[in-house]
Amino acid sequence: DSGVTQTPKHLITATGQRVTLRCSPRSGDLSVYWYQQSLDQGLQFLIHYYNGEERAKGNILERFSAQQFPDLHSELNLSSLELGDSALYFCASSWDRNTEAFFGQGTRLTVV
Amino acid sequence: DQQVKQNSPSLSVQEGRISILNCDYTNSMFDYFLWYKKYPAEGPTFLISISSIKDKNEDGRFTVFLNKSAKHLSLHIVPSQPGDSAVYFCAARTSGDYKLSFGAGTTVTVRA
Repeated sequence: DSGVTQTPKHLITATGQRVTLRCSPRSGDLSVYWYQQSLDQGLQFLIHYYNGEERAKGNILERFSAQQFPDLHSELNLSSLELGDSALYFCASSWDRNTEAFFGQGTRLTVV
Repeated sequence: DQQVKQNSPSLSVQEGRISILNCDYTNSMFDYFLWYKKYPAEGPTFLISISSIKDKNEDGRFTVFLNKSAKHLSLHIVPSQPGDSAVYFCAARTSGDYKLSFGAGTTVTVRA
């Protein structure tokens, strides 16, 4: 158990819909990262939050947004979903850049 | 643009033998490298890391080698055990950055 909790584990939704993925970081970790893993691909960095502030953006679509709340949990919002958005979405947390990131179990999103 | 590449999607090795996983990178600014291991239905877990000021780091059965001039790193697992069967991801980052760039992963199967 990495200490990072992601909900839900699985999500099936229709094209055009909007979903919210939730992440609770390890206790004490200020950084939260979101990654997307499509079929047979590596993890692609989406976005990084540190103590409530957005710090870096990767290949995140405009239809996607995220936030980190005062209690440090984070949500990733995906809207106007397309079939190609079907993927595993991982959240990770770390205390700072000099410590390794710990990953949650991921949310498997299937868009039908 | 894939800055971290794992060109072998799979590797099969006999139990007790050495597993060698390879990783190449293109960004010369990368100065910290990590290996993550992932079992099905779980998130990646940190395995071992190496800073660019070193060329070798060892942790039990796992050793990572870094060749900066060739922009290449490798992970050696000796001896390989059935529990090592998993997907292994190579990742890298720059010192000014929190985000990790991942390779596509290598699936290791350890045969009894």
